[in-house]
Amino acid sequence: AQRVTQPEKLLSVFKGAPVELKCNYSYSGSPELFWYVQYSRQRLQLLLRHISRESIKGFTADLNKGETSFHLKKPFAQEEDSAMYYCALSVGTGNQFYFGTGTSLTVIP
Amino acid sequence: KAGVTQTPRYLIKTRGQQVTLSCSPISGHRSVSWYQQTPGQGLQFLFEYFSETQRNKGNFPGRFSGRQFSNSRSEMNVSTLELGDSALYLCASSWGTASKETQYFGPGTRLLVL
Repeated sequence: AQRVTQPEKLLSVFKGAPVELKCNYSYSGSPELFWYVQYSRQRLQLLLRHISRESIKGFTADLNKGETSFHLKKPFAQEEDSAMYYCALSVGTGNQFYFGTGTSLTVIP
Repeated sequence: KAGVTQTPRYLIKTRGQQVTLSCSPISGHRSVSWYQQTPGQGLQFLFEYFSETQRNKGNFPGRFSGRQFSNSRSEMNVSTLELGDSALYLCASSWGTASKETQYFGPGTRLLVL
């Protein structure tokens, strides 16, 4: 069965420090993975998807099929990065997504 | 371009009642998906509609149903409400012409079942 695990519910880092939000998945097929973010009082929105191989707001994520992971990284955290981050896996045809339970990131000034 | 809208934003119902939630997608989007969000389970996929047809379905009981109209607006219905149905219900829309598209989320409808 498909599953997405985000082991950290809460993560705090100091401004300027590196940050890594962990995401592991289980899926027997070829996965497509995403990171969604929800800033305070805003809607859930796409941050990045692995297939694009983009860096958005300084964040990157690499799909590691061997470790079944898709960790989100940023070398220097900013206060505006404080938000709730969700890792998501899409399977099959259409738009069926499995979300992790989310990690709340707080960047301490 | 207007974003995804959901009505109502808040609802209070009692056990055994039924409820209908509405979602209007971004103009031109033909895929609408519904999610249930709770503190314990996070975001769970309910179903996806595309061109008035259910294209995908999650693992929810038959009390949860939906439909989509020709203008792509979608409704979700929950019958015989239970306390555990209290949650934030999110809908998301996308173009629908491909798989695994970026989802654009609405603000959600918060349902409280007493």
